[in-house]
Amino acid sequence: EAGVAQSPRYKIIEKRQSVAFWCNPISGHATLYWYQQILGQGPKLLIQFQNNGVVDDSQLPKDRFSAERLKGVDSTLKIQPAKLEDSAVYLCASSRRTGGSYEQYFGPGTRLTVT
Amino acid sequence: GNSVTQMEGPVTLSEEAFLTINCTYTATGYPSLFWYVQYPGEGLQLLLKATKADDKGSNKGFEATYRKETTSFHLEKGSVQVSDSAVYFCALSDPSGYSTLTFGKGTMLLVSP
Repeated sequence: EAGVAQSPRYKIIEKRQSVAFWCNPISGHATLYWYQQILGQGPKLLIQFQNNGVVDDSQLPKDRFSAERLKGVDSTLKIQPAKLEDSAVYLCASSRRTGGSYEQYFGPGTRLTVT
Repeated sequence: GNSVTQMEGPVTLSEEAFLTINCTYTATGYPSLFWYVQYPGEGLQLLLKATKADDKGSNKGFEATYRKETTSFHLEKGSVQVSDSAVYFCALSDPSGYSTLTFGKGTMLLVSP
């Protein structure tokens, strides 16, 4: 089974520019997550989709971040405009219900550097 | 709210040494508990999990027991290898809704030959 795919793997932009990340989850996984992982910290959930609907975006900085999941499959995360503090690894994960829990599978991440 | 506290790293060990990485949590209800591992340049991989009190998760020689009375989920391995060098994250899953994961800050493990 193919894993979670993400692109690009690396991105360097200047502050105030915009950037977009793409994620393709594991086939059949209804739930998709975007996390932000700042260096030296654990991942922090930005947004969670169930199919193409948002179930949790409480920690998404909505003035600059947006995300969509068209047709309940692929997803894009956008930052516009970027700030220096957005430098981080952006992780996408997907899951499906297994028994009584959701087991999340992570992609390799996109490392963003804002200069 | 939910939170996870891990021991600070790096943890530096010689090959074949015994490993313990401490993890404690705060949560309402009865969360599931996880250990994820992140090798350099890679995404997170699920190492093991436990879904209820006194459950023991195990994988690749690593073990952790869900201790409700001490709200802990410490990771152990009897004999570490150089290839175990990575960052280890303890996490809990909110049992309500869609099981959002809350992660600790991670503990770097460095194993020398």
